[in-house]
Amino acid sequence: DAGVIQSPRHEVTEMGQEVTLRCKPISGHDYLFWYRQTMMRGLELLIYFNNNVPIDDSGMPEDRFSAKMPNASFSTLKIQPSEPRDSAVYFCASSFGGVGDGYTFGSGTRLTVV
Amino acid sequence: KNQVEQSPQSLIILEGKNCTLQCNYTVSPFSNLRWYKQDTGRGPVSLTIMTFSENTKSNGRYTATLDADTKQSSLHITASQLSDSASYICVVTGGYNKLIFGAGTRLAVHP
Repeated sequence: DAGVIQSPRHEVTEMGQEVTLRCKPISGHDYLFWYRQTMMRGLELLIYFNNNVPIDDSGMPEDRFSAKMPNASFSTLKIQPSEPRDSAVYFCASSFGGVGDGYTFGSGTRLTVV
Repeated sequence: KNQVEQSPQSLIILEGKNCTLQCNYTVSPFSNLRWYKQDTGRGPVSLTIMTFSENTKSNGRYTATLDADTKQSSLHITASQLSDSASYICVVTGGYNKLIFGAGTRLAVHP
């Protein structure tokens, strides 16, 4: 298996623009998680899905952030409009059955908003 | 408040030396504790995962210990290599399958 695949690896955008991050989980995994990592705050859970249904989005910082999972093999995290403080590395992770063994992170998308 | 604290914040050692990283947590209820290695520019990769009943678990030159009574864990790296240079993150699973992350220890192994 190729693991959790995220795209793009790097994204540079201007303030106010819409940004879409993409994630393909490991085949067969029924949970998908979106995280944000910054030097100041470390890894923060934004939202997670179970069987394509959003379960907990309490970590989403504000209405500018939205996430969807239209099917078991694809999820998006969208920021509209983007702001410089959104600059961070965004990770997607997937697992089977929750947060037990097999919880796997993607390589992340480094977002820079200028 | 559920917290995971790691020490030291950063560490420099010479290649071939051993080192120990610490993790203290105040998470309740407790489900499991895992250590991740995160190379620069990469996602975290799991090294070990331990449940309440496990005291020690090894993965090659990495050995993790868990004391559930004192709520402390350590990660010992034996005969360090340059490729061990990375951030090491302690993560505790609490109630409702919520992962609580430590801030990490940044390890640099010098030749």
